[in-house]
Amino acid sequence: DAMVIQNPRYQVTQFGKPVTLSCSQTLNHNVMYWYQQKSSQAPKLLFHYYDKDFNNEADTPDNFQSRRPNTSFCFLDIRSPGLGDAAMYLCATSRDGRTTDQPQHFGDGTRLSIL
Amino acid sequence: RKEVEQDPGPFNVPEGATVAFNCTYSNSASQSFFWYRQDCRKEPKLLMSVYSSGNEDGRFTAQLNRASQYISLLIRDSKLSDSATYLCVVNTGFQKLVFGTGTRLLVSP
Repeated sequence: DAMVIQNPRYQVTQFGKPVTLSCSQTLNHNVMYWYQQKSSQAPKLLFHYYDKDFNNEADTPDNFQSRRPNTSFCFLDIRSPGLGDAAMYLCATSRDGRTTDQPQHFGDGTRLSIL
Repeated sequence: RKEVEQDPGPFNVPEGATVAFNCTYSNSASQSFFWYRQDCRKEPKLLMSVYSSGNEDGRFTAQLNRASQYISLLIRDSKLSDSATYLCVVNTGFQKLVFGTGTRLLVSP
């Protein structure tokens, strides 16, 4: 059974039209992450939540925002998608980010296309 | 210099072959290490953690050399289903993983 669930699997939006991607987890993990992965590139961390504490990466554009209304859900909002934002967006969780040997568990990803 | 570097490959090997991948990392304070497997257009999946003493899981052996700051993955008796991209992943602390760009493996009949 999937433990990190991302919806939708595929999302098509228009240039400049706001879009929200969702992630839910049944693992009760403290930490939730959002990554962007473009073709043939490594996943790039955008931001993460440790419980309710939001941690933005320094090079994440302001166009990307996130919300975590409760432990189970986390959202990625792209306010004005550009063509360069077309990518796979991966949500991941880890049980306790303070202990560094915890692996991350990934959802299936949402593939975003921009028209 | 990238924080985590891998040879992108592809490594083309026949079934039954033994293949090894290396990965180097730049941050000497890195604390934990993993190998993830990623199939085409799918999410990364944890293959194995890498421990200082080296560890084995079936046909897969991972080793860590902290002095030289490299990690290796050895796959014995390759199967067609091993074809994938193998991502070297380093935990640099502060709840962050840094991914290499991956090494692509193609196992042929």
